[in-house]
Amino acid sequence: AQRVTQPEKLLSVFKGAPVELKCNYSYSGSPELFWYVQYSRQRLQLLLRHISRESIKGFTADLNKGETSFHLKKPFAQEEDSAMYYCALSDASKLTFGTGTRLQVTL
Amino acid sequence: DAGVTQSPTHLIKTRGQQVTLRCSPKSGHDTVSWYQQALGQGPQFIFQYYEEEERQRGNFPDRFSGHQFPNYSSELNVNALLLGDSALYLCASSLGGGRYGYTFGSGTRLTVV
Repeated sequence: AQRVTQPEKLLSVFKGAPVELKCNYSYSGSPELFWYVQYSRQRLQLLLRHISRESIKGFTADLNKGETSFHLKKPFAQEEDSAMYYCALSDASKLTFGTGTRLQVTL
Repeated sequence: DAGVTQSPTHLIKTRGQQVTLRCSPKSGHDTVSWYQQALGQGPQFIFQYYEEEERQRGNFPDRFSGHQFPNYSSELNVNALLLGDSALYLCASSLGGGRYGYTFGSGTRLTVV
């Protein structure tokens, strides 16, 4: 069975500090991984996907198959990054989400 | 493009009642998936509809059923409501599966009393 683990419920960082949101997965096949973000009072939206290897809003995530991880990183946190972040794994017919990490960026 | 639209936004039902939630996918999308998000949890997959058929189902009882119409819109029905069915129900649309990601609606907040 596929599973996604986000070990931190809350991550609090200062503005300008580096951010790393952890995500580990369990999947027998070749995974497709995503990060979704939910800003306050907004809908869940796609932040980035590993197949595109893109950087969105300064965030990047690298798939490490050896460590079965897909951590989300940003070198310098901004206030507007405060949100709920969900890591998700797709088997092409459904998404399996982690429980989410709330990122709180303070001045 | 309005994206994914869901109705209603909020709903209060009594235990034992039945409820129908509706979803219109993003323009150009042909696949609709439904998720249940309980408080403090990540969304849990209920089922996915493609070509008007249930393509895959998560670990939810038969009280949860759905339908997809020829215009790709979808309904989620829940019978014999339980208190534990209280949650945010999210609809997500995609094109031919989810390889390129899903577009989510704002959800329907269902409260069972």
